[in-house]
Amino acid sequence: AQSVTQPDIHITVSEGASLELRCNYSYGATPYLFWYVQSPGQGLQLLLKYFSGDTLVQGIKGFEAEFKRSQSSFNLRKPSVHWSDAAEYFCAVVGNRGADGLTFGKGTHLIIQP
Amino acid sequence: DTEVTQTPKHLVMGMTNKKSLKCEQHMGHRAMYWYKQKAKKPPELMFVYSYEKLSINESVPSRFSPECPNSSLLNLHLHALQPEDSALYLCASSQDLAGGFQETQYFGPGTRLLVL
Repeated sequence: AQSVTQPDIHITVSEGASLELRCNYSYGATPYLFWYVQSPGQGLQLLLKYFSGDTLVQGIKGFEAEFKRSQSSFNLRKPSVHWSDAAEYFCAVVGNRGADGLTFGKGTHLIIQP
Repeated sequence: DTEVTQTPKHLVMGMTNKKSLKCEQHMGHRAMYWYKQKAKKPPELMFVYSYEKLSINESVPSRFSPECPNSSLLNLHLHALQPEDSALYLCASSQDLAGGFQETQYFGPGTRLLVL
């Protein structure tokens, strides 16, 4: 069974500073990987996804992520954070049972300092 | 348009009540999902419908009863719930491509359920 680890429960970053959120996955085949963001009390918004091809993927809101098979990682980055980026970030992997549910990491809570 | 709508936004119910959550999408997606999310936890899969047929049930108690009346609608019928069932219930949809290939799941805003 697949699994996702987000080692950082909380991260605090100053506004304007760069950001990297870590994600490690465990999956036997080529993984399908996602990053979602969730603001308090809201649903999940897709930031970006990796299915195949170029290992550096661009997403919305200035986010990017790099897939590294050798490290089983899919870390999310942003060069300069804004106060509106404060939210919960989830890394997720999906299996291959046809339409299948996402397996999420436990999430990283991002706090932006002024 | 990647919108999934869910109604109601909030629901308070007693343990003897019967209520339903509704989810709708008009993106032509043929896979629809229910997830449950407790506070400060990630979403957990409950059910998957593929082409209006239940394809995955993650051992959810029978007090939760899903229904997919057509390709655009997904319901979750609730009966005799417990206080520990209080959570955010998220619906999602995706294309369901042949061959086990995956597509992106788009989420609705959720229904926040409180069971008293």
